[in-house]
Amino acid sequence: DIQMTQSPSTLSASVGDRVTITCRASQSISSWLAWYQQKPGKAPKLLIYKASSLESGVPSRFSGSGSGTEFTLTISSLQPDDFATYYCQQYNSYPITFGQGTRLEIK
Amino acid sequence: EVQLVESGGGLVKPGGSLRLSCAASGFTFSSYSMNWVRQAPGKGLEWVSSISSSSSYIYYADSVKGRFTISRDNAKNSLYLQMNSLRAEDTAVYYCARDTSSSGGSCYDYWGQGTLVTVSS
Repeated sequence: DIQMTQSPSTLSASVGDRVTITCRASQSISSWLAWYQQKPGKAPKLLIYKASSLESGVPSRFSGSGSGTEFTLTISSLQPDDFATYYCQQYNSYPITFGQGTRLEIK
Repeated sequence: EVQLVESGGGLVKPGGSLRLSCAASGFTFSSYSMNWVRQAPGKGLEWVSSISSSSSYIYYADSVKGRFTISRDNAKNSLYLQMNSLRAEDTAVYYCARDTSSSGGSCYDYWGQGTLVTVSS
């Protein structure tokens, strides 16, 4: 199974900050990586697919990069609505696996 | 508008069974693979099972293999998860999610609101 490891687990930041979340795969997954945002009590929302493609309707302040085993999600200027938990997901092979999540909280 | 609505969750005793349903609308259900993903209270996301558009390909997480069965009825635009031999560690919110691909193995662009399954005596 491919293990996905996110860092940090928790990130404290302020509105307007630029933040980066990292996701590492235990083996190469090419660009088969997605990022999701989840708010308490809600379903996850797809932000980025194929490592760097922005899902329709997602603000352009979100961007993704990477390939192989190392990936990043960057939010260029944090907005109040962005404080949530973020998950990466590999879909290179079954079993599909998610990272453990990064909680983005207000500093 | 794409909608996925789960139902069937509830409280069940260890060893018991439950059948979850996911009613889909707003898209051509028979053209997409579908998935179940769960989230234990306060924990992260865990993929459970996937089924391709024509049910030709089915996959399970090791943690549920042999106990859970995924199925779909394209005529009824519905996805199902039959859960048997339930354990306390199966307690979670169960989400159905649409795959972006018909053959599966992709990411999930639409999710339901989730249904809570609690396994406890």
